[in-house]
Amino acid sequence: QVQLQESGPGLVRPSETLSLTCTVSGGSISSYFWNWIRQPPGKGLEWIGYIYYSGSTNYNPSLKSRVTISVDTSKNHFSLNLSSVTAADTAVYFCARGPLGYCSGGICKPNRMDVWGKGTTVTVSS
Amino acid sequence: DIQMTQSPSSLSASVGDRVTITCRASQTISSYLNWYQQKPGKAPKLLIHAASSLQSGVPSRFRGSGSGTDFTLTISSLQPEDFATYYCQQSYSTPFTFGPGTKVEIK
Repeated sequence: QVQLQESGPGLVRPSETLSLTCTVSGGSISSYFWNWIRQPPGKGLEWIGYIYYSGSTNYNPSLKSRVTISVDTSKNHFSLNLSSVTAADTAVYFCARGPLGYCSGGICKPNRMDVWGKGTTVTVSS
Repeated sequence: DIQMTQSPSSLSASVGDRVTITCRASQTISSYLNWYQQKPGKAPKLLIHAASSLQSGVPSRFRGSGSGTDFTLTISSLQPEDFATYYCQQSYSTPFTFGPGTKVEIK
């Protein structure tokens, strides 16, 4: 079955860029949306954004100026870059698959997140 | 952004109890509502999608209902492995948003 695995540095300095990769195994990255979600310590879940396998993206406006999500179909992985990090970006970061849900006006979106990675803890500290 | 609220924020229940968690959206989201279960130190797990569709492999004691702005997750007979935090999430429009969670604890 499909499995997702997040990887990347566990410690990032303030003002630098957080970079994570999610590797998809047991299935193809094609024909799905791929999400990033984060969870600060002891708090709830925040959706960061998603990328379609074709490369189109959708970001949370609260983070949009700092976020870039990219996909490499040849390596079956997708990545998150979050720039200018502060302590408020300290969180567990999850990647998750999003099946195609519906299309309207030529724009398609996922309707759920059905497979999740185990998550990786990122601490922002000097 | 669509705001999601949940009630209660926490509850204590015994094995075998029937448990009901409510989720409310700040505007209509049709049936674009999902429920997730999260255990400490683990990733969320999809239980219910499209308000009432049981995700493959999820026990039938979990049931989702509702549409528009008001939704419910019901666990018909609470099992020991069900003690966890439950989140609702709307997929009607981006940014996707989650409720604050309901923690189900052992009485």
